[in-house]
Amino acid sequence: LAKTTQPISMDSYEGQEVNITCSHNNIATNDYITWYQQFPSQGPRFIIQGYKTKVTNEVASLFIPADRKSSTLSLPRVSLSDTAVYYCLVGPYSGNTGKLIFGQGTTLQVKP
Amino acid sequence: DTGVSQNPRHKITKRGQNVTFRCDPISEHNRLYWYRQTLGQGPEFLTYFQNEAQLEKSRLLSDRFSAERPKGSFSTLEIQRTEQGDSAMYLCASSLAVGDTQYFGPGTRLTVL
Repeated sequence: LAKTTQPISMDSYEGQEVNITCSHNNIATNDYITWYQQFPSQGPRFIIQGYKTKVTNEVASLFIPADRKSSTLSLPRVSLSDTAVYYCLVGPYSGNTGKLIFGQGTTLQVKP
Repeated sequence: DTGVSQNPRHKITKRGQNVTFRCDPISEHNRLYWYRQTLGQGPEFLTYFQNEAQLEKSRLLSDRFSAERPKGSFSTLEIQRTEQGDSAMYLCASSLAVGDTQYFGPGTRLTVL
């Protein structure tokens, strides 16, 4: 499985745009990039998934350059409630099992 | 609410006791996964089911751990002779098929005294 590297923590202020970059130099041709969000004492929640270029949904945008060796999760105009841990995952989820391989994630702290 | 549910949400037990957790996946989801998460770390895969068949178990799952999904619906995770190192959040997730989005439950936090 491709290993991912992302910052351990980030700080931001309410109303700002936050970009979290994830490196995955060994990404395979059939790997997708998926981001999950996790609040304290809750299970992870799917945010967005992409393969290449740009994907946007009502929550976030995901930018993937042509070489796919990195990806950037963009959260527009964050609020205090966006304070959470954000995980970047790559794979076709370890073959046929579908199991997700999580790293340590990025702890985002949004300040007033 | 049609999401994944887990019970209990919290469990405190003494070392050496047995505990059992339950997970109810989203209806019609064939795949069910168990993960374990310790403080400051991301979730780690434990095992998964395709319908009632348990198809893979992680090396993290010692012989004190057993999981079942008897009718392909809800699942139970039992830990026998608990140890302090078993203290963690136990998460359950389900998906319709492999590669589909996994939806997680709220988890069961286990504290072994």
